[in-house]
This record gives sequence, structure tokens and C-alpha cells, in this order.
Amino acid sequence: DTGVSQDPRHKITKRGQNVTFRCDPISEHNRLYWYRQTLGQGPEFLTYFQNEAQLEKSRLLSDRFSAERPKGSFSTLEIQRTEQGDSAMYLCASSTSRDRIPYEQYFGPGTRLTVT
Amino acid sequence: DAKTTQPPSMDCAEGRAANLPCNHSTISGNEYVYWYRQIHSQGPQYIIHGLKNNETNEMASLIITEDRKSSTLILPHATLRDTAVYYCIVSYHDMRFGAGTRLTVKP
Repeated sequence: DTGVSQDPRHKITKRGQNVTFRCDPISEHNRLYWYRQTLGQGPEFLTYFQNEAQLEKSRLLSDRFSAERPKGSFSTLEIQRTEQGDSAMYLCASSTSRDRIPYEQYFGPGTRLTVT
Repeated sequence: DAKTTQPPSMDCAEGRAANLPCNHSTISGNEYVYWYRQIHSQGPQYIIHGLKNNETNEMASLIITEDRKSSTLILPHATLRDTAVYYCIVSYHDMRFGAGTRLTVKP
């Protein structure tokens, strides 16, 4: 098992373009989380999935953002009509949960987005 | 909304114990105390978590006060590679990160 992976690691795009990021969680983990982190700040929660169900979305997740986890395995995060304020590190994490008790989250290396 | 209060920065001498405090006076009964750290340009790394009792693993020890309103993360023998931002989080499942404590381990 190689841990949580994210692709791409870096993305530079022009304002107004759409971008999509992929996250592959640890294989036996049923929970998957997306976070955003700007320079000098801690990660900010965006959304999470339990299997394929998206159970919670932060108000930070505007209607230009959409996340999917179609088969309960990998997930994608799409940003439409990117703005310069979307420039950030996008982090994915996964965890398992049994008996309604959460377990620690394992983070990927992140995708750094730069909107020019 | 920050649920935890941590000092913005701390220094520690290499080889000495690093004691990182965290206040969480509004913690709820089912919320755990988690600690993560983030080394520059990497994703956060899980360190340890606990509910009521003190916990120890290969990385660190977690001391939680009896009233659960504060905790201390202890790195028993800090090395230069422990230089990072350390985050204390109280949560049931979703991690709400604050600004953390920037720990600098000095030779």
C-alpha cells in the first residue's frame, strides 16, 4: 500500500478555465476528505464522503466546486471557471470508520493550484 | 470557529523533550483530541489521538487533563526532523485545523 495519492501534484491554469484533481485513497478506507490550504494557514475542510455518499459540504464549497466519488474508491474535485482566489494547495485524506468511531486521517501530498 | 488555542511558535533544543500545549475548554463529551503535524510542503501527518486517557505511541505521548479542557503533546527526544507546524484538533470525525504551533528544533 502506497498511501494516499493525488494527481496532478501541480497545476497552473488561466482564470476562467476548469480544472479537475484526482485522489486515490488507501484501498480499505471508506471515508475520503477534501481540504484546501492557503499559505500560512491550516487546512480548511471542504467536503467528505463515506463510500460513494457525499455526507457533508462546507460553505467554502461554492457552486463552482463539485466533488464525486462514483464507486466509493477514487474521488475527483472539479473547479469550474477558476478564479485567482482558488489558488491554494488542495489536500485529500482518507480514513476508515468502524462501529461509528472515526479513525485517524491519512493525507496525500496535495495538488498545488496556481490560477494566473 | 477555532475550538483550540495553541501558542503560535515554540523552540526546542535537539535531544530535549518538546512539550506542546493546547487549550480546548469547549470540548464536547464525544470529541477526541487529535494531533497532526505538517512539515513544509507536505500533507499533514497523523501523530496521536485520545479521548480521556493519556496515550503513547512510537512518535509521541498525549497527556489530557482530567477535565479534558487542555492537553499536551510530548515529543520525548526532539530531532531536527521534528521541525514542523503542529495542529491540535478536537473533533468527532471532521478535522478543523487552526493555525497550529510552529515548532523549531535547534541544534
